[in-house]
Amino acid sequence: SYELTQPLSVSVALGQTASITCGGNNIGSKNVHWYQQKPGQAPVLVIYRDGDRPSGIPERFSGSNSGNTATLTISRAQAGDEADYYCQVWDSSTGVFGTGTKVTVL
Amino acid sequence: EVQLVESGGGLVQPGGSLRLSCAASGFTFSYYEMNWVRQAPGKGLEWISYITGGGETIYYADSVKGRFTISRDNAKNSLYLQMNSLRVEDTAVYYCAREDTGYELDYWGQGTLVTVSS
Repeated sequence: SYELTQPLSVSVALGQTASITCGGNNIGSKNVHWYQQKPGQAPVLVIYRDGDRPSGIPERFSGSNSGNTATLTISRAQAGDEADYYCQVWDSSTGVFGTGTKVTVL
Repeated sequence: EVQLVESGGGLVQPGGSLRLSCAASGFTFSYYEMNWVRQAPGKGLEWISYITGGGETIYYADSVKGRFTISRDNAKNSLYLQMNSLRVEDTAVYYCAREDTGYELDYWGQGTLVTVSS
């Protein structure tokens, strides 16, 4: 079965840039979506189809995807960006989520 | 405004059954594929099932295949998950989520907690 690997945690200083990776075999050939989940809340879509932003999501959130790695980038990190982040793809009619990354803003 | 509201969660013994519902509003329900996703306590997200707008195509994760059944009633704007032969490891918050044209899950409900325990 297809697997997506993310770092367990990422720390970023306030106002700096955080990058969260999502590794999978030839993931560059798939559409990658990213979700933000704060404690006790449902996930929220922040990036879809590799790098598109839903309405209401700040431009500080961006995404890229190539080869075996997709990346979510959070620029000018704010305290409100502290959350768990999950990447997601579809593989053989099966939804696959990444292992999740906890982002801490210092 | 798009809204998804899950219900039906609760405490059930191993081997028991439960039926979850997801009431949709604010969009034309029959036009959209829908999914169920769960999250065990302190764990990550796990996709478990998908259904097309008309209900003609359905997929399941291996972990629930043969035990769970997804269905929908477009006249009632509702999505369902019938869960049978429940196991302790099925304990989780269950979310319903709408799937948009790029195959992303663009709207999620608030979730309903299912606890399987004796």
